[in-house]
Amino acid sequence: ETGVTQTPRHLVMGMTNKKSLKCEQHLGHNAMYWYKQSAKKPLELMFVYSLEERVENNSVPSRFSPECPNSSHLFLHLHTLQPEDSALYLCASSLGVGDTQYFGPGTRLTVL
Amino acid sequence: AQKVTQAQTEISVVEKEDVTLDCVYETRDTTYYLFWYKQPPSGELVFLIRRNSFDEQNEISGRYSWNFQKSTSSFNFTITASQVVDSAVYFCALSEASNDYKLSFGAGTTVTVRA
Repeated sequence: ETGVTQTPRHLVMGMTNKKSLKCEQHLGHNAMYWYKQSAKKPLELMFVYSLEERVENNSVPSRFSPECPNSSHLFLHLHTLQPEDSALYLCASSLGVGDTQYFGPGTRLTVL
Repeated sequence: AQKVTQAQTEISVVEKEDVTLDCVYETRDTTYYLFWYKQPPSGELVFLIRRNSFDEQNEISGRYSWNFQKSTSSFNFTITASQVVDSAVYFCALSEASNDYKLSFGAGTTVTVRA
């Protein structure tokens, strides 16, 4: 079974829509992460959760709202996004914060 | 300031050639970790290796090998006898104790292996 899964794989949304990205890990890890990967830019860390508590919020706009209901699931709620938010959003997990991170396949988001 | 520099943006080789990807990092920490990840066209970052700052021993895994040199702050990656399936973007990353072990990624090197 794939260690880290993400749904949907592709998402197209208008600027006024509300949508959510889902990440699930089957590795028994305690830390989960959201990253943004835009064209021509290094991966940007957005949020870090450890044991369901947010431990990092990397100056991300409030139109991105994370949720971690348990150590296996992580969501990213999106609302009133901008076209520049179009990117690949990657989820990762690790045993603990600082341990090796394992990534999901990402959600390719396009904001029209 | 960029903590991880991958100077090569793109590399194109013919199958069976060797290819070496350069990675230079910058840190003041004595405890840190270096990583390589592979990102094929499907998008998922695949973990390849993690090396801690106290272990300078080079490593070989199949056709992959890594050369860690603290004296030059480099952690280079070589693919021997490249194959078309090696075509991907390769990222070098650094995690430092002083940065709570968050990953700092390089910009990536796109490797294209032609048949």
